[in-house]
Amino acid sequence: EPEVTQTPSHQVTQMGQEVILRCVPISNHLYFYWYRQILGQKVEFLVSFYNNEISEKSEIFDDQFSVERPDGSNFTLKIRSTKLEDSAMYFCASREDRVTDTQYFGPGTRLTVL
Amino acid sequence: AQTVTQSQPEMSVQEAETVTLSCTYDTSESNYYLFWYKQPPSRQMILVIRQEAYKQQNATENRFSVNFQKAAKSFSLKISDSQLGDTAMYFCAFMKLRNQFYFGTGTSLTVIP
Repeated sequence: EPEVTQTPSHQVTQMGQEVILRCVPISNHLYFYWYRQILGQKVEFLVSFYNNEISEKSEIFDDQFSVERPDGSNFTLKIRSTKLEDSAMYFCASREDRVTDTQYFGPGTRLTVL
Repeated sequence: AQTVTQSQPEMSVQEAETVTLSCTYDTSESNYYLFWYKQPPSRQMILVIRQEAYKQQNATENRFSVNFQKAAKSFSLKISDSQLGDTAMYFCAFMKLRNQFYFGTGTSLTVIP
């Protein structure tokens, strides 16, 4: 069964460094999402992406964040200058098309900022 | 704004017994979707069950069923014949039409052998 994959599974970085989290959505899906989950807290929406542009973003998704679909398969989240409070689990999700509603989540990338 | 509330931070159930997890939500939308996701220790988010708000019939997936009360804005999850593999964090989620998810704070369920 097709699934969303994410790499790396765990990323450790120094405060102020740039990180890129990678996701490969399910191949025929058109809508892509990033969520984050700070340890012990609920999952929070960051951004949605469709047709090579951001369709919606939350207040968390400030200028330090950017997303890109550099080729036909990858969907990346870049954090330009990481802060301690960026430490969290980051989930990528994809949805098939405009009609379907279910989002399928990847296994997540645990980001630790030191 | 949409909010999702899960009032039970932790629950436990004996293996083979039935447990119900509560979820309430607040929205002014008339068309929306509701989901229960399971997050085991591996942290992967796994879809358990989904419900379209326009459908009156409660969704069922094997041992999992929901009690959807639209007027009360309630969406509880019933797990029958609980198994050890059901031990996980369970998140209730609300989605406006094909839009972002709004998650509750989760209920940690432990199935006791």
